[in-house]
Amino acid sequence: QITLTESGPTLVKPTQTLTLTCAFSGFSVSTSGVGVGWVRQPPGKPLEFLALIYWDDDKRYSSHLKNRLTITKDTSKNQVVLTMTNMDPVDTATYYCAHNTYLYDDNGFGYPTPFDYWGQGTLVTVSS
Amino acid sequence: DIQMTQSPSSLSASVGDRVTVTCRASQSITNWLAWFQQKPGKAPKLLIYKASGLKSGVPSRFTGSGSGTEFTLTISSLQPDDFATYYCQQYNTHPWTFGQGTKVEIK
Repeated sequence: QITLTESGPTLVKPTQTLTLTCAFSGFSVSTSGVGVGWVRQPPGKPLEFLALIYWDDDKRYSSHLKNRLTITKDTSKNQVVLTMTNMDPVDTATYYCAHNTYLYDDNGFGYPTPFDYWGQGTLVTVSS
Repeated sequence: DIQMTQSPSSLSASVGDRVTVTCRASQSITNWLAWFQQKPGKAPKLLIYKASGLKSGVPSRFTGSGSGTEFTLTISSLQPDDFATYYCQQYNTHPWTFGQGTKVEIK
């Protein structure tokens, strides 16, 4: 059974750095094909992809946030950490972590699958 | 980045209605498209992958279709549990991108 749980501060001040942790069970991020990513959702707004890290340490980021984001994994702790620098009130959102898989077909062609398991999300408010 | 445009942004429907949501990509994503359902205060739930693949456990009244740049999600007979917001998402090219959502409300 796969579960993911986000944790971190509920309130950060503008210009501070946000650090969020995704703790998971039911899989290992060292297993070939496994990925863990982050998605956020400001109140009343759509979902926004932030970052994704794969078992082989391949990392992908949002184009317009990549200069502020860092995603890392700790295989021994079954955790993935997202840091976002220079927080602003517009970054107020619920932050979700999620699991996906990178598969290979019979011809050796690799392809990702979408996020299939999600955490419950954690609301982060940015305010002075 | 690939832009995903959903229509309509909201709709009102009755239980038993057939509902269709459209998603357009700004460039071809072949069939690397997913549909999610989200209810207030809850995480998104994957319904459809690879444009038309039904995730295990999802009712068969949900169907996805399309390829290239045009995709649809159809709910054949709307049920009370289906009132929610639906998002499409492309995973053909990084960064992955979501549509702006379609809210399905009770008429």
